[in-house]
Amino acid sequence: GAGVSQTPSNKVTEKGKYVELRCDPISGHTALYWYRQSLGQGPEFLIYFQGTGAADDSGLPNDRFFAVRPEGSVSTLKIQRTERGDSAVYLCASSPSGRFEQFFGPGTRLTVL
Amino acid sequence: TQLLEQSPQFLSIQEGENLTVYCNSSSVFSSLQWYRQEPGEGPVLLVTVVTGGEVKKLKRLTFQFGDARKDSSLHITAAQPGDTGLYLCAGGGNFNKFYFGSGTKLNVKP
Repeated sequence: GAGVSQTPSNKVTEKGKYVELRCDPISGHTALYWYRQSLGQGPEFLIYFQGTGAADDSGLPNDRFFAVRPEGSVSTLKIQRTERGDSAVYLCASSPSGRFEQFFGPGTRLTVL
Repeated sequence: TQLLEQSPQFLSIQEGENLTVYCNSSSVFSSLQWYRQEPGEGPVLLVTVVTGGEVKKLKRLTFQFGDARKDSSLHITAAQPGDTGLYLCAGGGNFNKFYFGSGTKLNVKP
């Protein structure tokens, strides 16, 4: 079956602009995670959804970052007033209910010039 | 703050050699996962361990969860070039948050 998909695969933007990153999880997976991965590092937790609600958003670095999952499926990570330090690969993962296993998408590489 | 420390950071070996990578923490985790990540792709799950002292085998890969559920190891027997990649461990409490180590970058030379 189809895995987790993320669009766009690459996004180049200018400092101060607004960006949206999209994640399509595996059908039927109730849990959805966003991570950020900088070069040479492991993924860093940002936010976790269980269904439509953000169950844990403690990893969002500041109020410029926001994520939604209005129908419990597709999720969008929104970054306002982008900064050069936001440049990273943004990964999305989904899990079936009650399972630890996460299935990752290929990521969106964000570059802020 | 890196809750999970992985060692070594880099490892370059010849095909056929054995190797072990380590994942250590001062925190207790309900589960621990190992992933392999290749350039330009997301991590791919290899195994999940949940019981202290648990050992799981996946072909030439052996995973162990420490008795106290604070550390884990991954042993690869007779490494092959196809094993090349970034190996990541991730520890979880409940289902909501997982902490990743910074990874071990493995290169297996033919």
